[in-house]
Amino acid sequence: KAGVTQTPRYLIKTRGQQVTLSCSPISGHRSVSWYQQTPGQGLQFLFEYFSETQRNKGNFPGRFSGRQFSNSRSEMNVSTLELGDSALYLCASSLGPDLGQPQHFGDGTRLSIL
Amino acid sequence: QKEVEQNSGPLSVPEGAIASLNCTYSDRGSQSFFWYRQYSGKSPELIMSIYSNGDKEDGRFTAQLNKASQYVSLLIRDSQPSDSATYLCAVNSGAGGTSYGKLTFGQGTILTVHP
Repeated sequence: KAGVTQTPRYLIKTRGQQVTLSCSPISGHRSVSWYQQTPGQGLQFLFEYFSETQRNKGNFPGRFSGRQFSNSRSEMNVSTLELGDSALYLCASSLGPDLGQPQHFGDGTRLSIL
Repeated sequence: QKEVEQNSGPLSVPEGAIASLNCTYSDRGSQSFFWYRQYSGKSPELIMSIYSNGDKEDGRFTAQLNKASQYVSLLIRDSQPSDSATYLCAVNSGAGGTSYGKLTFGQGTILTVHP
């Protein structure tokens, strides 16, 4: 069974640009969560989608947005990039819709802002 | 007070020893608890989940949960050098809308198993 697939693996952008990251969950998983991981802040929750609906959102500015498609694939968009957005962005999927189900992570997208 | 706290480490144990990793959480209503292993440069890998008080064993790993003390631990028996990684404790509060899909992570404990 294929795992969670994230593309691209690496991205280099400059300040002010925008970026879109993609996540394909494990087959049959309908919940997708996104996290940002940095050395200083660790893993922080961005948002969660289930059945194309955002059910939960973390404490990130509105520049961070996402969506989910009918096949459960999800995208995350960051606009007006700042240097502090440099991080590893991780997508995790779970069966859904219940709370507390185990999440399985993709390999992540490493975003570097110059 | 951080929501999820782990013993800061780093933790170094000899090969074959038991490694003990600890985690406390602040939300008394938390329902679901997970341990992830993250190798350097890799993404977190789920190794254990636990939902009820007591012990849960899976191979060389044992997770222990005590909701009254708001404490969860991971024991790794017969530690191997391949167990050297950062171990992350994660908690889902189970409090409805604000908990959907949200795991709150500790800062992680770096474990080194030396031959």
